[in-house]
Amino acid sequence: DVKVTQSSRYLVKRTGEKVFLECVQDMDHENMFWYRQDPGLGLRLIYFSYDVKMKEKGDIPEGYSVSREKKERFSLILESASTNQTSMYLCASKVGGAGNTIYFGEGSWLTVV
Amino acid sequence: TQLLEQSPQFLSIQEGENLTVYCNSSSVFSSLQWYRQEPGEGPVLLVTVVTGGEVKKLKRLTFQFGDARKDSSLHITAAQPGDTGLYLCAGAAGNQFYFGTGTSLTVIP
Repeated sequence: DVKVTQSSRYLVKRTGEKVFLECVQDMDHENMFWYRQDPGLGLRLIYFSYDVKMKEKGDIPEGYSVSREKKERFSLILESASTNQTSMYLCASKVGGAGNTIYFGEGSWLTVV
Repeated sequence: TQLLEQSPQFLSIQEGENLTVYCNSSSVFSSLQWYRQEPGEGPVLLVTVVTGGEVKKLKRLTFQFGDARKDSSLHITAAQPGDTGLYLCAGAAGNQFYFGTGTSLTVIP
C-alpha cells in the first residue's frame, strides 16, 4: 500500500511565525504535491515537484515555498504565517508521467492566530 | 481553473436508499479517480477508471467513466451510515490533476 505521511496533524501558530509542514512517501514516487482545502473552494494546488530539487508553482503559491532535497520528502514552508493561511493542508504523491493515480496523506490542520 | 463540476453538492438520505453522484467536464481526461474523505482526514482513493465506458464495482458502489472520458458517475446502492463523507472526483490530464468541489453525503440511520 502507498503511504503518504504528514508529520503534523494539528498545529496552532501565531501570526508571523515560520511554519514547516513535512511530508514523506514510501513508494519512490517522482511527483509530489501540496494542496490546501477550504470549505466551498475545494482543493487548490500550492506547489508541486516532478523530481528532487525541482519545484513548480501551482494555482496559489503566494506566501508559501517548498523544498525537495530528497525524493521521498516534500516540505511546505510558510515564511510568515498569516490568519488567512488557516486551512487543511494535504500532501500527495504519484508515479511520474501522465495520468496515474494520486495518493494523499492524512492532512495537516493549521490554525494561525 | 475548476474544470470538474460535481453534483449534487449536498445530499442527505435515509439508510437503505440509492443515490448517484455526478462529475462532469467539457475536458477529456486520461483517467479519473474517486475519493472519499471523512472529516479531519485526507481523501482515500476508492477507484481509478481509465477506459471510456468503463464500469467498476466496489461492493455497493458502482463507478462509470463516460464514453468520451469527460464525465463519471458514482452510484451507491442501499446506502449505509458508514458511507457518510465527502466524495471527490479528480481528473488526470497530462501531469496535472483537476478536482471537483465535492459532494457531501449524509446517510441518516
